[in-house]
Amino acid sequence: ETGVTQTPRHLVMGMTNKKSLKCEQHLGHNAMYWYKQSAKKPLELMFVYSLEERVENNSVPSRFSPECPNSSHLFLHLHTLQPEDSALYLCASSQDPATYNEQFFGPGTRLTVL
Amino acid sequence: AQTVTQSQPEMSVQEAETVTLSCTYDTSESDYYLFWYKQPPSRQMILVIRQEAYKQQNATENRFSVNFQKAAKSFSLKISDSQLGDAAMYFCAYRSAAGANSKLTFGKGITLSVRP
Repeated sequence: ETGVTQTPRHLVMGMTNKKSLKCEQHLGHNAMYWYKQSAKKPLELMFVYSLEERVENNSVPSRFSPECPNSSHLFLHLHTLQPEDSALYLCASSQDPATYNEQFFGPGTRLTVL
Repeated sequence: AQTVTQSQPEMSVQEAETVTLSCTYDTSESDYYLFWYKQPPSRQMILVIRQEAYKQQNATENRFSVNFQKAAKSFSLKISDSQLGDAAMYFCAYRSAAGANSKLTFGKGITLSVRP
């Protein structure tokens, strides 16, 4: 596989469930990102990882917990979510986070919280 | 903090015609990067074009070109000879050139439809 992949593509969960989103990049990049995309709002950066170390956390509620076990994989663990957390969650990667380099995006996970 | 504004939520263009998508931004910095990203209905976002603020020459990528007006803080995207495959959401984005780990700030996006 090439590029950035995300699984699952769709997820429906109740507010008491625990689930995880997975992102994998096959580009040899060192930086990975989680974004939240809600309708009629700009993309919101949630987390940035550089060489498996979290370098940015944009005041995201603790019910979202990221994990980056290696430079190719990024997870977003979800627990006790709220209906307003329903959105498209996009993963992206880039060569590194501090330069001009393009970010490559995955197809996203469409999350619905009931 | 930087902000990116895309004031038009939707636009439509006839196939083979030209369309311009507008974007303005607010920053106190002098060195930064600007991007246009395309998100087709399949949802995989891809980079269309990018501009370095210190370059006066407008960036061009095949049918896509920008009109970068630094003093006016304007960064519009022109699509020439529009094709059906150009139908998508387009996002304008800003990134500071200062410091490590500077993030992309996106606008709300504009939905472009192409009429056959």
